Amino acid sequence: SQTIHQWPATLVQPVGSPLSLECTVEGTSNPNLYWYRQAAGRGLQLLFYSVGIGQISSEVPQNLSASRPQDRQFILSSKKLLLSDSGFYLCAWSVLRAKGYTFGSGTRLTVV
Amino acid sequence: GNSVTQMEGPVTLSEEAFLTINCTYTATGYPSLFWYVQYPGEGLQLLLKATKADDKGSNKGFEATYRKETTSFHLEKGSVQVSDSAVYFCALNDSGGGADGLTFGKGTHLIIQP
Repeated sequence: SQTIHQWPATLVQPVGSPLSLECTVEGTSNPNLYWYRQAAGRGLQLLFYSVGIGQISSEVPQNLSASRPQDRQFILSSKKLLLSDSGFYLCAWSVLRAKGYTFGSGTRLTVV
Repeated sequence: GNSVTQMEGPVTLSEEAFLTINCTYTATGYPSLFWYVQYPGEGLQLLLKATKADDKGSNKGFEATYRKETTSFHLEKGSVQVSDSAVYFCALNDSGGGADGLTFGKGTHLIIQP
């Protein structure tokens, strides 16, 4: 069966520190991978998506970057966190878009 | 571009009440429509979906019908339970050839009181 792992579940980081969130998928090949952010009082915003190894599309300009070093691994990074980077980060995958997307359990990031 | 509009709430109901959460959309193509649910402290779970006009998605007593004429996908449940308390997101993806992700509404916080 297909599963998606996302860690850590919670993270508190000081302003200016680096960030690395990891997402891995099991049980499927060549998935489309996504990073979403849910900020307080706001909906879900698509940050990045990837259709294959090394292929990253950015939806919004920001302080974050993404990488896909392996087929089933998707990493969200920042060199220097800002207070505005706080939020709930969700990784998701899909193979057939009409069938929906499967989300990870999320990482709650608080930048202090 | 694509957009989804839904009532934000919070919506507070008593147990066994009838629930409607409105969702309307704008899309350039022929989107698939989804409802996702987020329980406290958790990620999103797919609740139901519909891929073409007049399709009805259903799951766990929840239903939503894809209405192309009114560009709507309202979520309904005949008798809610305390365990239904969560945030509900309406979402779409269009039928274009890209792999871009879902467009979400802002979410509706549902509180069911015993």
